[in-house]
Amino acid sequence: EAQVTQNPRYLITVTGKKLTVTCSQNMNHEYMSWYRQDPGLGLRQIYYSMNVEVTDKGDVPEGYKVSRKEKRNFPLILESPSPNQTSLYFCASSLSRAHGYTFGSGTRLTVV
Amino acid sequence: QKEVEQNSGPLSVPEGAIASLNCTYSDRGSQSFFWYRQYSGKSPELIMSIYSNGDKEDGRFTAQLNKASQYVSLLIRDSQPSDSATYLCAVLTDKLIFGTGTRLQVFP
Repeated sequence: EAQVTQNPRYLITVTGKKLTVTCSQNMNHEYMSWYRQDPGLGLRQIYYSMNVEVTDKGDVPEGYKVSRKEKRNFPLILESPSPNQTSLYFCASSLSRAHGYTFGSGTRLTVV
Repeated sequence: QKEVEQNSGPLSVPEGAIASLNCTYSDRGSQSFFWYRQYSGKSPELIMSIYSNGDKEDGRFTAQLNKASQYVSLLIRDSQPSDSATYLCAVLTDKLIFGTGTRLQVFP
């Protein structure tokens, strides 16, 4: 089944404790992206990647890192999480920028 | 001015009616337009994409694009309670920008 797999689905952590949210797609998509979704603010892009070893900042990149060492994987790293990073995170992939995204199931992160 | 604007709703329609969802965008250079459906607690799901002026139909869904007026709409015919969800409009400029969504409620 074609899908984007994110893990974990739920995560509660403490301020400053490094964490990684994994994302993997099995569709051989070139384009991958991370979004956060907050009430009233909608989906905001954190980082995106157009191909292996090519990443760029989205609208809200502060406090996040990403890497794209393999085509299928695009992990999101929070080096020192803070409470304002409490949010619902989605990984998404597409064949190209002009195609629609396939979204992962989401990761609900709470930073206390 | 927001780059992609949608009425937050809720838009309430009776079962069997036509639901009309609207979206306006600010960048005249936008080339690709998408509608996503998001059920509460779930991830967005792509339901329609449209790239040129006019109508595009897929089952009960019709997307309409008017680049001159900078709006894109989604019509849902024969609305069902299972269509109750938030509908997100997304517009591709140099990046994909999402609206904040319109909540649709279809009541029996």
